[in-house]
Amino acid sequence: DAKTTQPNSMESNEEEPVHLPCNHSTISGTDYIHWYRQLPSQGPEYVIHGLTSNVNNRMASLAIAEDRKSSTLILHRATLRDAAVYYCILRPRFIDNYGQNFVFGPGTRLSVLP
Amino acid sequence: GAGVSQSPSNKVTEKGKDVELRCDPISGHTALYWYRQSLGQGLEFLIYFQGNSAPDKSGLPSDRFSAERTGGSVSTLTIQRTQQEDSAVYLCASSYRQYGETQYFGPGTRLLVL
Repeated sequence: DAKTTQPNSMESNEEEPVHLPCNHSTISGTDYIHWYRQLPSQGPEYVIHGLTSNVNNRMASLAIAEDRKSSTLILHRATLRDAAVYYCILRPRFIDNYGQNFVFGPGTRLSVLP
Repeated sequence: GAGVSQSPSNKVTEKGKDVELRCDPISGHTALYWYRQSLGQGLEFLIYFQGNSAPDKSGLPSDRFSAERTGGSVSTLTIQRTQQEDSAVYLCASSYRQYGETQYFGPGTRLLVL
């Protein structure tokens, strides 16, 4: 099964950009890359997703490597409210085993310093 | 509009007792998911519903765990004869049509088994 690896933790200063990396070297051609984040004491919330091309929305940008073996979530200007655990997840277009196909790993804990 | 709601928000029970956890998905969402999150850990997939049927129950940890969904809406996760290792946050999510689409999470139920 395709899996992702992320750093356990990262720090950023407030109002500076943050680049959160994710490696997914075994990604298949039909896997989507999803990012969620989990604020303290809350359920996860959707951030962004993509397939091949870079994506932008009001929350963040997603930069996908040309070989798709890695991606980077970009927060353009971190705020204190962005302190959360960020999860990078692969979602296959064709479902084989549901439980194994949408796995939230430990994620990256982002701390934002004032 | 209303998001995913879960009740109770907190539950303290004694070892050996049964508990029921409730999830109200976003209206019109046909896919519903249950996850479990132990302290400081990632999310563990439990079960997925499409409508009232559960194509995948593979994540349920033991036969003490069961879930049902009625009317394509509300879902109940039941844990029988609770054990201390069942203590965790139980998260419910829903998505519009099918597995793997953007999931909207509830705030979770924090279960403590004494």
